[in-house]
Amino acid sequence: KAGVTQTPRYLIKTRGQQVTLSCSPISGHRSVSWYQQTPGQGLQFLFEYFSETQRNKGNFPGRFSGRQFSNSRSEMNVSTLELGDSALYLCASSTKRQGNTEAFFGQGTRLTVV
Amino acid sequence: GNSVTQMEGPVTLSEEAFLTINCTYTATGYPSLFWYVQYPGEGLQLLLKATKADDKGSNKGFEATYRKETTSFHLEKGSVQVSDSAVYFCALSAQADSWGKLQFGAGTQVVVTP
Repeated sequence: KAGVTQTPRYLIKTRGQQVTLSCSPISGHRSVSWYQQTPGQGLQFLFEYFSETQRNKGNFPGRFSGRQFSNSRSEMNVSTLELGDSALYLCASSTKRQGNTEAFFGQGTRLTVV
Repeated sequence: GNSVTQMEGPVTLSEEAFLTINCTYTATGYPSLFWYVQYPGEGLQLLLKATKADDKGSNKGFEATYRKETTSFHLEKGSVQVSDSAVYFCALSAQADSWGKLQFGAGTQVVVTP
């Protein structure tokens, strides 16, 4: 069974640009969540999509957005990049088994803003 | 709100030593609890989980018991190997309408020397 696939693995962008990150969840998983990981703030929840609808959102500015497609693949977009957006962005694919949830993470996309 | 507190690292051990990483949480209701591990340059891997009080999660020699009375979920391993060097994250899931929203601790770096 294939795991969570995130593309690209590495990205370098200039301040003011925008970027789109992609996540393909585990087959059959309908929930995709995004996290930002930085040395200073740790792991912070961005948002969760379930069956193409955003159902939870973290405390991030509107420059951070996402969407989910009918095949459960998800994209995350960051507009007007700032230096502080440099981080590892992790995608988690989640399911519910026997009443309990489990989240499985991809390897992440390392975004560097210069 | 929900929160997870784990001991600060780095924790430096010799091979075959006993490892304990303390984790306590604050949450309403009955959260599920998880330990994730992150190796350098990688995403998060689910190490073990527990979904109700007194449950013991175990995997690859690691164990953690869900203690509701002390709101704790400490991670232990009896004999560590150099390959256990990584960052360990304690996390909780407490939102009924979310499968992928996790609250993480700050992470504890473990360094095992030969």
